[in-house]
Amino acid sequence: DAMVIQNPRYQVTQFGKPVTLSCSQTLNHNVMYWYQQKSSQAPKLLFHYYDKDFNNEADTPDNFQSRRPNTSFCFLDIRSPGLGDAAMYLCATSRPGSEETQYFGPGTRLLVL
Amino acid sequence: AQSVTQLGSHVSVSEGALVLLRCNYSSSVPPYLFWYVQYPNQGLQLLLKYTSAATLVKGINGFEAEFKKSETSFHLTKPSAHMSDAAEYFCAVGVGTGGFKTIFGAGTRLFVKA
Repeated sequence: DAMVIQNPRYQVTQFGKPVTLSCSQTLNHNVMYWYQQKSSQAPKLLFHYYDKDFNNEADTPDNFQSRRPNTSFCFLDIRSPGLGDAAMYLCATSRPGSEETQYFGPGTRLLVL
Repeated sequence: AQSVTQLGSHVSVSEGALVLLRCNYSSSVPPYLFWYVQYPNQGLQLLLKYTSAATLVKGINGFEAEFKKSETSFHLTKPSAHMSDAAEYFCAVGVGTGGFKTIFGAGTRLFVKA
């Protein structure tokens, strides 16, 4: 089945140690999104790619970066994780002509020690 | 600016009872509106969406929602709750093209009592 895959499902890192979360999709969608969802809160958009065009939300901290080497993969890099970055990170995709419909991956829960 | 307000962070119903989760939106243009469900430690699953067609939208798992422009509401209902409906529900409004932006409400946690 076509889907959005996030690995790992759970990630533990140390305070200040760079960490990368990955997302892959078999839907061939051209738009990919990264959301941060803290405990008991709504998902918050960090940035998205429209093809190779990167769109950063104005309030996304510089500590968060992203890479999209090809259509299928998108990475979220946290350069120096702080305790406040512990959250669920959700990847989503959408396709042209139906961009309002986003397909979400299962998420990666990040724990910062 | 677009925003979403979900009334009630927690709703508790008995199994078999009506489920009503409230959502109000603000949007300067005709919006796309969504309801998503999230089970513990999982991603979001789309329940239904409104895209300016029929005002009564039917979704999966027996849920439906009615778009009422005069009330700027998009409440989610299900006639008879099931234990498996216990989850977090997010109302969302979507805007834009070339990279659609979805703005989520704070969520409502639904508890279903046996």
